[in-house]
Amino acid sequence: SQWGEENLQALSIQEGEDVTMNCSYKTYTTVVHWYRQDSGRGPALIILIRSNEREKRSGRLRATLDTSSQSSSLSITAAQCEDTAVYFCATDASSSFSKLVFGQGTSLSVVP
Amino acid sequence: DTTVKQNPRYKLARVGKPVNLICSQTMNHDTMYWYQKKPNQAPKLLLFYYDKILNREADTFEKFQSSRPNNSFCSLYIGSAGLEYSAMYLCAAGTGDTQYFGPGTRLLVL
Repeated sequence: SQWGEENLQALSIQEGEDVTMNCSYKTYTTVVHWYRQDSGRGPALIILIRSNEREKRSGRLRATLDTSSQSSSLSITAAQCEDTAVYFCATDASSSFSKLVFGQGTSLSVVP
Repeated sequence: DTTVKQNPRYKLARVGKPVNLICSQTMNHDTMYWYQKKPNQAPKLLLFYYDKILNREADTFEKFQSSRPNNSFCSLYIGSAGLEYSAMYLCAAGTGDTQYFGPGTRLLVL
């Protein structure tokens, strides 16, 4: 498998807290994608970090990538109830078109 | 804005019967993908079309067929459904390193 041991994790936090989700991967990738999937909907790309970037920010989201340890993280600052979703990381080693390999994901629940 | 639509949203099939799922996209992206997702598991790539060329993953090669009659439409075909095919089927369209997903078709095989 492309990914390390990572069953669907479940996290529950309170509104306003910060949270970090981690992924580790086994093989080469040019980019790590982070997707969120809301109930009843398809995954939606929320942030993408390339192999030449160590950190990427988008609003309250922060992604990191450490190619030496083959790991990536997604942090959400001051989580809101609407951040409740399943979050997936995915690697992509293809050069001419995207070919994603998804990690198992984290089910995040933000409670008031 | 990319819109990926999938029909039907829910599908009930009998064991041994064929199943055909449809996906359409509005932005003329060159690549269209089909993934299978089971509860508490990650989406798993089944196959994809890069332009007119079909690429099927090795471990699902014999289980799924697909056609892409034009750039906007792509189908996923199961010749004889088994219980193990019950899952969410996600279609995506993309270009470069970005994929846009549809809402999925939930298939239940009885």
